[in-house]
Amino acid sequence: DAKTTQPNSMESNEEEPVHLPCNHSTISGTDYIHWYRQLPSQGPEYVIHGLTSNVNNRMASLAIAEDRKSSTLILHRATLRDAAVYYCILRDSGAGSYQLTFGKGTKLSVIP
Amino acid sequence: DAGVIQSPRHEVTEMGQEVTLRCKPISGHDYLFWYRQTMMRGLELLIYFNNNVPIDDSGMPEDRFSAKMPNASFSTLKIQPSEPRDSAVYFCASRRRETGSYNEQFFGPGTRLTVL
Repeated sequence: DAKTTQPNSMESNEEEPVHLPCNHSTISGTDYIHWYRQLPSQGPEYVIHGLTSNVNNRMASLAIAEDRKSSTLILHRATLRDAAVYYCILRDSGAGSYQLTFGKGTKLSVIP
Repeated sequence: DAGVIQSPRHEVTEMGQEVTLRCKPISGHDYLFWYRQTMMRGLELLIYFNNNVPIDDSGMPEDRFSAKMPNASFSTLKIQPSEPRDSAVYFCASRRRETGSYNEQFFGPGTRLTVL
């Protein structure tokens, strides 16, 4: 699997936007970019995914660079409930595998 | 829907004992995954099933670990004999097969295993 690089930790003030970066310079053409997050003492949960175009859903937005070598997860207004570890994951849609390979992720702290 | 159900939520056992972790996936999901999470190694995939058949068990650490899925609504992960280094949180996840739209993995709440 192509590898991703994320900062170990980030901080945000409550109700401010948060931009969580992810580098994936070895991404291949069939790799989807997925984001999951893990709240304290819970299992991971899906946030968003995309291939080439920017994506929006009720939880977040995903901005994908034109060369696809990086992406940014955007939380428009951070709340205390958004404090979690955020994982950026690549998955080859063409390989027929549904495995997710989790890295260390970014631990987001939200300051009231 | 109740989501993915795991039991027990916490298990404390002594070295050498057999441990069985249980998982009930979301109804209608074709894939079931077992993960292990530790501080040192993070979240690792151990094994996954498709339609009750094990597809990839390359993440299973050694022969002491075994997993079964006797039917679409139940899976077990067994450790025999258990060792202190098996202490971790074990997660089960399930998802539908892809049918043209994305289907994410849904994770259970995990089983925290402590082997003394």
